[in-house]
Amino acid sequence: GENVEQHPSTLSVQEGDSAVIKCTYSDSASNYFPWYKQELGKGPQLIIDIRSNVGEKKDQRIAVTLNKTAKHFSLHITETQPEDSAVYFCAATPSYGKLTFGQGTILTVHP
Amino acid sequence: GAVVSQHPSWVICKSGTSVKIECRSLDFQATTMFWYRQFPKQSLMLMATSNEGSKATYEQGVEKDKFLINHASLTLSTLTVTSAHPEDSSFYICSHAGLASYEQYFGPGTRLTVT
Repeated sequence: GENVEQHPSTLSVQEGDSAVIKCTYSDSASNYFPWYKQELGKGPQLIIDIRSNVGEKKDQRIAVTLNKTAKHFSLHITETQPEDSAVYFCAATPSYGKLTFGQGTILTVHP
Repeated sequence: GAVVSQHPSWVICKSGTSVKIECRSLDFQATTMFWYRQFPKQSLMLMATSNEGSKATYEQGVEKDKFLINHASLTLSTLTVTSAHPEDSSFYICSHAGLASYEQYFGPGTRLTVT
């Protein structure tokens, strides 16, 4: 089955800096890669996703890049704000449903 | 995104009792629902997939007789933890997927504590 590795496990940045979180996956058949933000005691919130026919996608301060050859994808957050502090999860799936999640990254943005 | 609700948001029960968790899709018809379990400071682990009107498919290692899933309508799925034990204490989260959609939208989660 699919295996997703996520790094780093913790990330601390100053407000206004950029943050980058990276994930690698094992199943070359995976074709959908979402990113979720989870705040303490809440369910994950979809913040951006990318499909295998696209190399990059951007939504305001958030962007995701995908390298299918290397089997890795990354989340980029620019101009970070304290409210960006949360746990971020990447995921991958080769088929409809059955998401496999990375281990999560605790992002802390210091004012 | 889709709106998903869960009830209750938290529950405390005694060992040996059963607990039912409801997951509702509030604004669209969900043909497929997923149940995840998340232990503190860990990632989400898929427990089972259910399709409306049919039996759930459980992931390896998940006891189907212990975690009963019912998906009787396009807006409601339930997870019943039977004969709960302290090791079942966890954060249970459901998600909905639409027809032929890769996107999953998660509920707010239910914190279960078994004493």
